[in-house]
Amino acid sequence: RKEVEQDPGPFNVPEGATVAFNCTYSNSASQSFFWYRQDCRKEPKLLMSVYSSGNEDGRFTAQLNRASQYISLLIRDSKLSDSATYLCVVNGGSQGNLIFGKGTKLSVKP
Amino acid sequence: DAGVTQSPTHLIKTRGQQVTLRCSPISGHKSVSWYQQVLGQGPQFIFQYYEKEERGRGNFPDRFSARQFPNYSSELNVNALLLGDSALYLCASSLYVDTQYFGPGTRLTVL
Repeated sequence: RKEVEQDPGPFNVPEGATVAFNCTYSNSASQSFFWYRQDCRKEPKLLMSVYSSGNEDGRFTAQLNRASQYISLLIRDSKLSDSATYLCVVNGGSQGNLIFGKGTKLSVKP
Repeated sequence: DAGVTQSPTHLIKTRGQQVTLRCSPISGHKSVSWYQQVLGQGPQFIFQYYEKEERGRGNFPDRFSARQFPNYSSELNVNALLLGDSALYLCASSLYVDTQYFGPGTRLTVL
């Protein structure tokens, strides 16, 4: 089983749509969880940290279920500018390294 | 405030050569991590340094080495380059070892 697994993409959605990405992780000792966004040929940029209580930032909502080792990201009212690859990321433990999923590509169409 | 900076932005080398990549973290950040990203994959962890000490090493061969300087900048060295080393090399900066912020990367092509 891969350490971090994400939905296979790509997701092609119209503007204004709601889209959800899911991710599972294998290390139950992981303590920190993130979603990063990566544009083509650019560096990953932190979108949001993910907490057990769930957190929201504008149109973006992230959820964590520790029991199921499951992380989600919901994007409401999609914009063209949301088109990117979304990376699910888990802290690897004492080393402090980040473990990335392969990413899910989102294309928002007019 | 300046973000993470990396140099060079692009690099072309031939097999067997050696390369040095450089990274300057966000001001005040004491931890630097290095990642390799090949096309179609997520970044893979190579090294992490905190306060000039190596805190972690990923599953990469000994041809890969790194160090951190007193000003917290860092270098990644790769010896005896292989075609498979062609990738985007990312440096990430963090205050301690938590939330990491990435630089623009160095794109290495090995011919």
